[in-house]
Amino acid sequence: EVQLVESGGGLVKPGGSLRLSCAASGFTFNSYSMNWVRQAPGKGLEWVSSISSSSRYISYADSVKGRFTISRDNAKNSLYLQMSSLGAEDTALYYCASSGGSCPLIRVASCDAFDLWGQGTMVTVS
Amino acid sequence: QSALTQPASVSGSPGQSITISCTGTSSDFGGYNYVSWYQQHPGKAPKLMIYDVSNRPSGVSNRFSGSKSGNTASLTISGLQAEDEADYYCSSYTSGSTYVFGTGTKVTVL
Repeated sequence: EVQLVESGGGLVKPGGSLRLSCAASGFTFNSYSMNWVRQAPGKGLEWVSSISSSSRYISYADSVKGRFTISRDNAKNSLYLQMSSLGAEDTALYYCASSGGSCPLIRVASCDAFDLWGQGTMVTVS
Repeated sequence: QSALTQPASVSGSPGQSITISCTGTSSDFGGYNYVSWYQQHPGKAPKLMIYDVSNRPSGVSNRFSGSKSGNTASLTISGLQAEDEADYYCSSYTSGSTYVFGTGTKVTVL
């Protein structure tokens, strides 16, 4: 079955750190760019970060740049998000999502739509 | 990066057609056609409905269609059904090599 399963969420104090994981199965993980998207309670979707299939290209939203680090391990079919200096504004459901693998632009992490989503892992900063 | 602007809510009766707009700046759309639309039912993960402005992924009903003119993208749902009641979000790849989502639209089937 094609799926993404996030883990690692929880309750953390302001200023703390947390590492999220996303396990992929059922597709050729190392051919796809991967992304993190978050959704604060009762709010809309916010793109967080993207990483190319080889990890060569990475991009971040301004709201997390310098605090969050995206990475992947293609041998383990896994995506990660290391979060530090967390604040209340980071409280959200964090989704991992794959994107196309067919972006024609060069030297970018991803430009395709988010075609497969996990169910999310909740991060609460309080 | 500000969110793309969508109407907060749109409603229609079963069988009718509705259109959701998604407005941004030229930088938001980056001169590309990398606009996508997502459907999200309460408590569920988003689902891709339209990609590259007007393409439907396999398995998505042809009642869903997308278009773009200038700095406004649109999603049209024709033959509205009860199961279409959900939140809808547009998204675009930007000139800054990032993504931006829309503010979201709640679709109500009367």
